[in-house]
Order: sequence, then structure tokens, then C-alpha cells
Amino acid sequence: AQSVTQPDIHITVSEGASLELRCNYSYGATPYLFWYVQSPGQGLQLLLKYFSGDTLVQGIKGFEAEFKRSQSSFNLRKPSVHWSDAAEYFCAVGDAGNMLTFGGGTRLMVKP
Amino acid sequence: GAVVSQHPSWVICKSGTSVKIECRSLDFQATTMFWYRQFPKQSLMLMATSNEGSKATYEQGVEKDKFLINHASLTLSTLTVTSAHPEDSSFYICSARDPDVGSGANVLTFGAGSRLTVL
Repeated sequence: AQSVTQPDIHITVSEGASLELRCNYSYGATPYLFWYVQSPGQGLQLLLKYFSGDTLVQGIKGFEAEFKRSQSSFNLRKPSVHWSDAAEYFCAVGDAGNMLTFGGGTRLMVKP
Repeated sequence: GAVVSQHPSWVICKSGTSVKIECRSLDFQATTMFWYRQFPKQSLMLMATSNEGSKATYEQGVEKDKFLINHASLTLSTLTVTSAHPEDSSFYICSARDPDVGSGANVLTFGAGSRLTVL
């Protein structure tokens, strides 16, 4: 069965600082990997996805993620965080069918 | 891009009543929609897969008689929480496969969610 672990429940960074959110997955085959962001009381917005090819994936809002098969990781990064990035971030793993499994989420807080 | 709309965004009801939540795909057809449940400060848990014209597929542990799903058209799926109780209070989010992404992978577009509060 597929699973996703986001080790950090909360992360606080200063505005302008760099950010890395960790994601580790367990999946038997080549995974499809996603990062979603959720603002309070809202649905989820897709930040980026990895299906195949280049392991460094660029997304919206200046985010990127790197797929590392050897480490079963898909960490999300941003070089300079903005106050508007404060939200909940979910990593997810899926297959070619209809299953998306989400990690527990990481709540990002941004200090001025 | 593909948009999924949910209604209502927030509903408060008395214990014992039934509540219907609608999920619509705007400007695209969705033969399959997914219903997730999210408790406060927790992740999303898949409840069921809604299939147009056929019965929904429920995840283990989800009461199909409690959470009725109807996918009567290619653009509408409904979730009815029957005889709601306070423990059913949660954030319910629907999603559909983004048609702008090629086949072979499942990229989901999510609705804004519906918050249910049962008194």
C-alpha cells in the first residue's frame, strides 16, 4: 500500500528566508508525486507534480521539488518565502488509477 | 483551468437532520469524482469514489448508508450526510480529474470544500 510521511507538522520561517518541506513516500512502482497547498477554510491547489523525466520540478508561486528515488523523497523548496505562503502543505502520492494518498500535512507559518 | 465548485461552503444543522453537499465540475465532464473528509488540523481521507451512472465505491470504514453519494450527471455529484450527528462535523472536499492533463496519471482539481457543523 502506498503511504506518505511529512515529518514536520509545523514549520516557522522568517519572511525572505528559504524553505524546505520534507516528504517521504512508500510506493511499489514509479510514483506520481504531488504537492498541494491549502489556505484556511479552502480547498487544495496544486503546486506541482512529478510523473517522470527531470527530477527537479518547477511549480507555481516560485516553488520547486526534487524527486530522489534513492531516498524515496520529494521535498518542496522555495528560495525566498513570502508572508502569503503561510498555509498548509500536503504531499501526495498517486498511481495511474484513481488513488491519491496524502501525507499528514505541514503547517507553514511566516514571521515578519 | 478546470474548476470544481462545491455548495454550500458552510452548513450548520441540527442533529438528526440530513444535509446534501453538491460538487459540480464547471466547463468539463467528470465521470469520476472523489469525496474526501478532513478533520481539523488533519490530512484528507478519501471517503469514496463517485462514478457517473453507477454506485459509488466506498473506502473501508466509511458507512455507505450514512454518506449517500449520487453521481447523476457528468457534472454533478452529491454527498448526503444522513441523520447527521456532531461527530459528522467536518470539512468535506470533492475533487475531479483535471481534463487538461493527459491520461495516464491522476491530477485532481479540488473544490473549495464544505464545512459541516452539526449541533
